[in-house]
Amino acid sequence: GESVGLHLPTLSVQEGDNSIINCAYSNSASDYFIWYKQESGKGPQFIIDIRSNMDKRQGQRVTVLLNKTVKHLSLQIAATQPGDSAVYFCAERAGGAGNMLTFGGGTRLMVKP
Amino acid sequence: DVKVTQSSRYLVKRTGEKVFLECVQDMDHENMFWYRQDPGLGLRLIYFSYDVKMKEKGDIPEGYSVSREKKERFSLILESASTNQTSMYLCASIWNTEAFFGQGTRLTVV
Repeated sequence: GESVGLHLPTLSVQEGDNSIINCAYSNSASDYFIWYKQESGKGPQFIIDIRSNMDKRQGQRVTVLLNKTVKHLSLQIAATQPGDSAVYFCAERAGGAGNMLTFGGGTRLMVKP
Repeated sequence: DVKVTQSSRYLVKRTGEKVFLECVQDMDHENMFWYRQDPGLGLRLIYFSYDVKMKEKGDIPEGYSVSREKKERFSLILESASTNQTSMYLCASIWNTEAFFGQGTRLTVV
């Protein structure tokens, strides 16, 4: 039968503004979280990570916030640039064999010049 | 730099064909994964392997099998390709807490 494609949530921001991308995770036992950036035609690339014993971690132009009470993760990008346009995924690790990662559905960030 | 290499960027196969997707990593990592990526569904885990000859089912293993005969190579096998297996396939290798991805294989089954 005919399949219907689903659309990614899209965040559109003006160049120079700050971006906030949100992610809800499912497993309260997850001990480690990662944000990935995926540009068109490429595999996901690591941006920043955070362990469950932290609530904030900063990198270069990016900050990850973790709220374990509501199982929520966010990625903040300061002074968004056109090169930041991509799909962003959060991932959680629940531990156990294989360091298995569970990914969120992804958010598309579009930066308007 | 860690390198994860998938053998093909684009593949077109016919329904019923047996398809092999190959993934090689060059950093002696123990953990390797196969995901598929579909619009709106993100990355879904098909299979993973934490050692040679060891494999575990992920969330959507139906219609797939895997092979890990050597530490550096993790193969995904579609025994009899179907149109609903048209997708982007991503291989990942994990070291410590960081995952390294290949560039992806876009498979179309006609």
